[in-house]
Amino acid sequence: EDKVVQSPLSLVVHEGDTVTLNCSYEVTNFRSLLWYKQEKKAPTFLFMLTSSGIEKKSGRLSSILDKKELFSILNITATQTGDSAVYLCAGLDSGGSNYKLTFGKGTLLTVNP
Amino acid sequence: NAGVTQTPKFRILKIGQSMTLQCAQDMNHNYMYWYRQDPGMGLKLIYYSVGAGITDKGEVPNGYNVSRSTTEDFPLRLELAAPSQTSVYFCASSGGQGVTQYFGPGTRLTVL
Repeated sequence: EDKVVQSPLSLVVHEGDTVTLNCSYEVTNFRSLLWYKQEKKAPTFLFMLTSSGIEKKSGRLSSILDKKELFSILNITATQTGDSAVYLCAGLDSGGSNYKLTFGKGTLLTVNP
Repeated sequence: NAGVTQTPKFRILKIGQSMTLQCAQDMNHNYMYWYRQDPGMGLKLIYYSVGAGITDKGEVPNGYNVSRSTTEDFPLRLELAAPSQTSVYFCASSGGQGVTQYFGPGTRLTVL
């Protein structure tokens, strides 16, 4: 069975700090690793990583995938209070006729002013 | 056990036409989702539903509508198709929020 584990489960930082969120995965027919930000409603897509070692960046957020070690990290630099959210990592399994997206439990990030 | 089924698999529309993408699941899941995936991009959430009669917008809802009259079905309606809606559309379902989502095989839509 596919498994995605995120750490830490929660994190409290001050504005301006840099944070690193971790995600390890065991996905049978691995296709991609996805990061989402979830505030009050459904997850908002951040990144999809398919190739190892290629960093994806969007503003202050960046992410990278290591397919050999089966993990990914999400970095947020110069954090702001608006970054407070649950960050979800999910592994996309492309085996069989349907895809399957398995989520980790998430990291609750709180950014204090 | 069919899981999540989507129809049609492929469709070509002319600008301004309308259509409904069908999605059904037989896993008795309360949560259902519609995503679109543009070439080289990740999944973006269009609409989602947490149960029959309840729907809510995702990140990119403009140009789409949904309804959820039963637990099993979650159709996505495109009104006045535009070239920007050319994409692959995935329907998914899950037993809850943030847990494993099971996807359908997708519908490849081209708007010309």
